[in-house]
Amino acid sequence: EAGVVQSPRYKIIEKKQPVAFWCNPISGHNTLYWYLQNLGQGPELLIRYENEEAVDDSQLPKDRFSAERLKGVDSTLKIQPAELGDSAVYLCASSLHGDRGGSNEQFFGPGTRLTVL
Amino acid sequence: QQQVKQSPQSLIVQKGGISIINCAYENTAFDYFPWYQQFPGKGPALLIAIRPDVSEKKEGRFTISFNKSAKQFSLHIMDSQPGDSATYFCAAGSGGSNYKLTFGKGTLLTVNP
Repeated sequence: EAGVVQSPRYKIIEKKQPVAFWCNPISGHNTLYWYLQNLGQGPELLIRYENEEAVDDSQLPKDRFSAERLKGVDSTLKIQPAELGDSAVYLCASSLHGDRGGSNEQFFGPGTRLTVL
Repeated sequence: QQQVKQSPQSLIVQKGGISIINCAYENTAFDYFPWYQQFPGKGPALLIAIRPDVSEKKEGRFTISFNKSAKQFSLHIMDSQPGDSATYFCAAGSGGSNYKLTFGKGTLLTVNP
């Protein structure tokens, strides 16, 4: 079974440029998460989707960050415009819907390492 | 406000030794406590998790000890191996069926051969 797929794996951009990250969760996983991981830190939740609905976006800086999960499968996270402080690894994770008695385990993708120059 | 405090920041252990990583939390609403292992260039992967109704859980060489009254939990890696060298994150979750996880800052474990 394929894991969580993310692309690109690496991205280098100039500040003020836009950037987008893509995530394909594990098949059948209804819940999708985007995390930000700064160097030497643990992941921090940006947004959580249940199917196509964003149920927790309280930590998403909405002035420059946006996300979507059309059709409740793949998701895209966008930054526009990017700032120097956005340099980090952006992780996507997915999990089964807990109400079905499935595992609450979050499966993480390899992440996209963003460098803003 | 850091809700999950993890220590030490780094740890060096000899092969065959015991690695111990500690975490403390503040929010009593947390009801799910996983440990994740992360290798360079990879995403975190679940290692072992515990709920507050038990004080210990063991899976192979990995054991979680949980102290609800002290709001502390720890990961013990027995017979540590060089392949265990990685960054370990504790986390705490709440929120019903799909847990919103708050992670610690991580511990870089190095196991020397």
